[in-house]
Amino acid sequence: EVQLLESGGDLVQPGGSLRLSCAASGFTFSSYDMSWVRQAPGKGLEWVSGITGGGGTTYYADSVKGRFTISRDNSKNTLYLQMNSLRGEDTAVYYCAKGITMRGQGTLVTVSS
Amino acid sequence: DIQMTQSPSTLSASVGDRVTITCRASQSISRWLAWYQQKPGKAPELLMSIASSLESGVPSRFSGSGSGTEFTLTISSLQPDDFATYYCLQYINYPHTFGQGTKLEIK
Repeated sequence: EVQLLESGGDLVQPGGSLRLSCAASGFTFSSYDMSWVRQAPGKGLEWVSGITGGGGTTYYADSVKGRFTISRDNSKNTLYLQMNSLRGEDTAVYYCAKGITMRGQGTLVTVSS
Repeated sequence: DIQMTQSPSTLSASVGDRVTITCRASQSISRWLAWYQQKPGKAPELLMSIASSLESGVPSRFSGSGSGTEFTLTISSLQPDDFATYYCLQYINYPHTFGQGTKLEIK
């Protein structure tokens, strides 16, 4: 069974940094593109970032480009999202996705002073 | 980037009704479209991919159609469990983009 367990969400001040993790199991992690998707409180879904199976190519939404970095460790079956220069509008629940499938409950990031 | 326009934003319907939600892409995405259902406080659940391929366990009252730039999600006979918010997603290329969502409410 595919499982994705997000962690690392927290309350952080504007301008701060945070690293999210997504521990994957139940599938051959290195064979799949992975993504991060977020949902601000009361808002719709927003695709944030994606990475190819081997980790060689990364993609970002314009809203996070230059501030967020996606990476993966295929030896640990773990996906990461390094978030720098955080803003209030980054407040959201962050989900990781195997391809286009979200399985976990997400992790809440709150950016506030 | 490809823009996805989903309509309506809100839909009021009754149990047993047939409802249709539409997603339009700003350029052709072939059939690289997925539909999700989300209930309050829960993660989005993938209903179907490649425009019309139902995920395992999704009831057959859900169906999808379309290709190119126009797509529809149809629920043939609404059940109480279907009242939720629905999103489309294009994934032909990056960045992936979601529609704005359709909240399906009980009339």
